[in-house]
Amino acid sequence: NFMLTQPHSVSESPGKTVTISCTRSSGSIASNYVQWYQQRPGSSPTTVIYEDNQRPSGVPDRFSGSIDSSSNSASLTISGLKTEDEADYYCQSYDSSNPWVFGGGTKLTVL
Amino acid sequence: EVQLVESGGGLVKPGGSLRLSCAASGFTFSNAWMSWVRQAPGKGLEWVGRIKSKTDGGTTDYAAPVKGRFTISRDDSKNTLYLQMNSLKTEDTAVYYCTTFRQPAHWGQGTLVTVSS
Repeated sequence: NFMLTQPHSVSESPGKTVTISCTRSSGSIASNYVQWYQQRPGSSPTTVIYEDNQRPSGVPDRFSGSIDSSSNSASLTISGLKTEDEADYYCQSYDSSNPWVFGGGTKLTVL
Repeated sequence: EVQLVESGGGLVKPGGSLRLSCAASGFTFSNAWMSWVRQAPGKGLEWVGRIKSKTDGGTTDYAAPVKGRFTISRDDSKNTLYLQMNSLKTEDTAVYYCTTFRQPAHWGQGTLVTVSS
């Protein structure tokens, strides 16, 4: 089984850009798509990025996703930060034996 | 609009059973692979299990902590997904979410299951 490791927390000011990383412990990050979920306090998760870099309809283009094979990691970048972006963010991927594997989550604080 | 509405949560004693339901609308449920994901209080997300569509075999897969105790099923005539939970343990206490499996995933609002004596 592989693991996805995220920073416990990140913080940034409104209007700035923040990047949250998600490192895969074994197997190639490029072999299986990565998704990102946003969970605001008291709410259920919603999908903000799927298939590495695709945005569902309704998700602003301030949200973008990418993968980096050299570091075996995926990243979620949020530009033009707003206070409403304050939330927990989870990455998720899979392999042939594990349909869904989640990262531990990153708490984003918009100061 | 996709809607997933979970129900059936509550307080149950260790060793007890509970069945959760998830009513789906806004998409062709019979074609959809579906999942359950849970979140213990103050913790992260944990995948519980998945069921494929009947046309894709209708088979199920489970996470190791629940295998042999939990069963996922579906009633396509009622557009409803189920999670039968037996031999419940205190560590099963969590909010349980119903989700579509294929991306982009849609999530329900969740239902709280508390296992306590």
